[in-house]
Amino acid sequence: EADIYQTPRYLVIGTGKKITLECSQTMGHDKMYWYQQDPGMELHLIHYSYGVNSTEKGDLSSESTVSRIRTEHFPLTLESARPSHTSQYLCASREAGEGYGYTFGSGTRLTVV
Amino acid sequence: QKEVEQNSGPLSVPEGAIASLNCTYSDRGSQSFFWYRQYSGKSPELIMSIYSNGDKEDGRFTAQLNKASQYVSLLIRDSQPSDSATYLCAVKGTGNQFYFGTGTSLTVIP
Repeated sequence: EADIYQTPRYLVIGTGKKITLECSQTMGHDKMYWYQQDPGMELHLIHYSYGVNSTEKGDLSSESTVSRIRTEHFPLTLESARPSHTSQYLCASREAGEGYGYTFGSGTRLTVV
Repeated sequence: QKEVEQNSGPLSVPEGAIASLNCTYSDRGSQSFFWYRQYSGKSPELIMSIYSNGDKEDGRFTAQLNKASQYVSLLIRDSQPSDSATYLCAVKGTGNQFYFGTGTSLTVIP
């Protein structure tokens, strides 16, 4: 079944730790995105990619990095986690062209203590 | 001015009524418009997309687009308690970036 998967679903980690949030999709989409969303707040774009070896920063790069070595895989890394990084992280992908919206993963809820 | 504006609500309607959700956008060149439903603690789910002026119907949902007024709306007919969620409006701008509104919280009262 074509889908988009995020792991872990929940993560509690100490300040200063390096973490990687995983995102994989089986739909063959070239376009992939990472968003950050706090409860009751709008989505903020962190990074996006239009294909293999292509990555761009969004409005909220948030001291994070991404890589796109394979079409299906788009991991997000925080080099040094801080309490301000506590949030929900959503990965999404979409087909190219007008009229195609995002398919979101189930999200990773990150808490930095 | 935000790229996409929505009334945050909360909007409450009785079961069986029509719920009307509204969204305005600032980029006049925008071509594609989307409505997402987000249950509490869950990720957004695409329920409607529209890119031509007029109405688009899908089951109990109708999206309406008026590009001249830079206005897009979502109507939910025969509202059910399971429709209680936050509804996000998203607009694909001329720079290919998506802009999301802050969402309208809908509660359907049994």
